Amino acid sequence: AQSVTQLGSHVSVSEGALVLLRCNYSSSVPPYLFWYVQYPNQGLQLLLKYTTGATLVKGINGFEAEFKKSETSFHLTKPSAHMSDAAEYFCAVSKLNNAGNMLTFGGGTRLMVKP
Amino acid sequence: EAQVTQNPRYLITVTGKKLTVTCSQNMNHEYMSWYRQDPGLGLRQIYYSMNVEVTDKGDVPEGYKVSRKEKRNFPLILESPSPNQTSLYFCASRVSQRGAGGYTFGSGTRLTVV
Repeated sequence: AQSVTQLGSHVSVSEGALVLLRCNYSSSVPPYLFWYVQYPNQGLQLLLKYTTGATLVKGINGFEAEFKKSETSFHLTKPSAHMSDAAEYFCAVSKLNNAGNMLTFGGGTRLMVKP
Repeated sequence: EAQVTQNPRYLITVTGKKLTVTCSQNMNHEYMSWYRQDPGLGLRQIYYSMNVEVTDKGDVPEGYKVSRKEKRNFPLILESPSPNQTSLYFCASRVSQRGAGGYTFGSGTRLTVV
């Protein structure tokens, strides 16, 4: 079975500081990896995804994530936090099985940005 | 605008009173899914549908039913709601069950069962 662990349910950074949200996964086969963002009172939006190829993936709003197979990690980073980045972030993993792509989410990390 | 539309956004109901949460997508997606979101647990899949008349259980199906009579609609039915079904529910869709495309999510339905 696949699983996703997000280290830290809450992360607080100052505006302009580096954002690092951690995600580790377990999967018996090469996975597809995703980061989603959820702003207050909204649904989830796709930030970025890794499928194959280049392990450093760039997403929207200046975010990027690096797939590290040896560490089974897919951490999300942004060089300089903005107030508008305050939201909840979910890492997700999927793999193909008989039912197609099954998506498993981590528990989420709430990012707070201080002025 | 391509979107997934859920209704209602907020719902308070009493234990045992049947309810339906509607979900509709306008992208001709084959695959649709229902998730519930609870603090610290992330999103857990309730049911999914790979196409019209094809549905299957996710990780937490107990107490829920779904149907997929048309491609665009995937309602979630709670025949006899209980307080442990108080949660935030999301409907999502994607082009098909294969491939690596991301999901499009609805805005959510916050359900309270008293």
